[in-house]
Amino acid sequence: GAGVSQSPRYKVAKRGQDVALRCDPISGHVSLFWYQQALGQGPEFLTYFQNEAQLDKSGLPSDRFFAERPEGSVSTLKIQRTQQEDSAVYLCASSPVLGGTQYFGPGTRLLVL
Amino acid sequence: QKEVEQDPGPLSVPEGAIVSLNCTYSNSAFQYFMWYRQYSRKGPELLMYTYSSGNKEDGRFTAQVDKSSKYISLFIRDSQPSDSATYLCAMSEDYGQNFVFGPGTRLSVLP
Repeated sequence: GAGVSQSPRYKVAKRGQDVALRCDPISGHVSLFWYQQALGQGPEFLTYFQNEAQLDKSGLPSDRFFAERPEGSVSTLKIQRTQQEDSAVYLCASSPVLGGTQYFGPGTRLLVL
Repeated sequence: QKEVEQDPGPLSVPEGAIVSLNCTYSNSAFQYFMWYRQYSRKGPELLMYTYSSGNKEDGRFTAQVDKSSKYISLFIRDSQPSDSATYLCAMSEDYGQNFVFGPGTRLSVLP
């Protein structure tokens, strides 16, 4: 079956611009995670959802970052007033149950100029 | 000191070699330990997971956890060029909850 998909795969933004990154999890997966991966580093947890409920957003680096999953399937990570330090790969992962294996998407590579 | 440390490499080995990848960590509450493989421009994929201390084997891969030393290892036997990737360790206090990843070790297996 189809895996986790993310769009766009690449995004170039000017500093100060708002961006929206989309994640389509595997159908039926209840848990959804967002990670940020800087170049040469491992992924760092941002936030996660159980269905439509955002259960943990402790990893979001600032109030410029906002995530939603209004219908418990597709999720959007929004970054307002982007800064150069936001440049990274943003990974989405989904899991069939809370506590299950996480399946990662290919990521969105964001470059802020 | 970072919570999870991992030698970034790169590590280059000839085809057929045994590869040893390692991570150390500082949080004694970690109970679940995972190894992910990440090919260039792809998302990580889960290779192995273990709970608490001990060994786990799956084909050419063996994962070891030594909680007393806060040290985990992944061994790859009969390494293949297709094993060339970045290997990430990850751990959590509760399985499926907020993983803490190491920075990854880049491995190159040369034909």
